[in-house]
Amino acid sequence: GDSVTQMEGPVTLSEEAFLTINCTYTATGYPSLFWYVQYPGEGLQLLLKATKADDKGSNKGFEATYRKETTSFHLEKGSVQVSDSAVYFCALSDFNKFYFGSGTKLNVKP
Amino acid sequence: DTAVSQTPKYLVTQMGNDKSIKCEQNLGHDTMYWYKQDSKKFLKIMFSYNNKELIINETVPNRFSPKSPDKAHLNLHINSLELGDSAVYFCASSQGSGGNYNEQFFGPGTRLTVL
Repeated sequence: GDSVTQMEGPVTLSEEAFLTINCTYTATGYPSLFWYVQYPGEGLQLLLKATKADDKGSNKGFEATYRKETTSFHLEKGSVQVSDSAVYFCALSDFNKFYFGSGTKLNVKP
Repeated sequence: DTAVSQTPKYLVTQMGNDKSIKCEQNLGHDTMYWYKQDSKKFLKIMFSYNNKELIINETVPNRFSPKSPDKAHLNLHINSLELGDSAVYFCASSQGSGGNYNEQFFGPGTRLTVL
């Protein structure tokens, strides 16, 4: 069945460091891929998405590229800020189901 | 304007009680979901409704019963609450259920604590 695997956290970085959170997926069809962010005490918010192979999603300095050949959708940001501290979820949509990864907590220190 | 709203935000109750959580979306979406998030932030889908019809019913105790009076509302009723039901419950909505492009919009969550 379909599934999403993302790197375990927590990830702790200093401000302005480079961020990568790995995400790989398995799917039977041609899924859409998403990154969601959950700030403390809040619900999940869509961060970015990609609907087909080689698409790049981007928002707020974050980027992820849909790589069909490696079944990956890694999240990157060139320079993180303290305000980026949150839990990040990779997800895929395949027909009428959504599959979420287990979440990766990011702590950014000043 | 709140897109997906849930009430209550916090719910503290005793074991064995029955409680309900309400969800409303004003996005005009036709699909709504309930998720359970445990203390380790793992998110598990429980139910999904499309146009008031149940389309996803994961392995969830039958003490949990969703009700969708119309496509803008999806309520969750829980009977005989147990300690293990303590979690944050999220409602979400999306447009359409058959396509691959439809991101979900989440409510703020309801933190349920069973004592």
